[in-house]
Amino acid sequence: NAGVTQTPKFQVLKTGQSMTLQCAQDMNHNSMYWYRQDPGMGLRLIYYSASEGTTDKGEVPNGYNVSRLNKREFSLRLESAAPSQTSVYFCASSEGASRQPQHFGDGTRLSIL
Amino acid sequence: RKEVEQDPGPFNVPEGATVAFNCTYSNSASQSFFWYRQDCRKEPKLLMSVYSSGNEDGRFTAQLNRASQYISLLIRDSKLSDSATYLCVVNMRSSNTGKLIFGQGTTLQVKP
Repeated sequence: NAGVTQTPKFQVLKTGQSMTLQCAQDMNHNSMYWYRQDPGMGLRLIYYSASEGTTDKGEVPNGYNVSRLNKREFSLRLESAAPSQTSVYFCASSEGASRQPQHFGDGTRLSIL
Repeated sequence: RKEVEQDPGPFNVPEGATVAFNCTYSNSASQSFFWYRQDCRKEPKLLMSVYSSGNEDGRFTAQLNRASQYISLLIRDSKLSDSATYLCVVNMRSSNTGKLIFGQGTTLQVKP
């Protein structure tokens, strides 16, 4: 019963470094999402993928890229990390229909120095 | 105006108390509503969906008021384990992708 799996759980980067956050779900969900959560800001949508082969910008896409590798996997890439991207990143998935809730991975805690 | 607004609290209540949270949303065409629970430094987890007629799950009752554009969560007989942040979540009607908007959350602290 893995659900949504994120790797890594923790990461420290230096400004300017790049990295990719990985996310995989085993629930055969169509839609996948990347959020960031900062103190006092709540969850903010970075990018989402309504279905395999499509991706769309969310509320805060600048500085990020995504790849929907297949139905199971949705990765988030930081090309040149900045201190403002220090945050907790959550991946989520849902069946896709608007009435369906989202299921979350347990997050990646990312610090950029 | 924020799309989804919640009182951040914290709400400090004794064990056994009844506590209620409200959440307002701006898009009158929103169709799906949820309450999520988030424990400190953990992922959000679905607590319950909110249906038009209101619904109950044990000690938890959720209600929707479309006319006034708010949803509520009532917790009866509070337990220490109910201490968490409760997120109000609303879908945006503009697409069928399941795109959701999260409120900032209301923090509940249940004291012995």
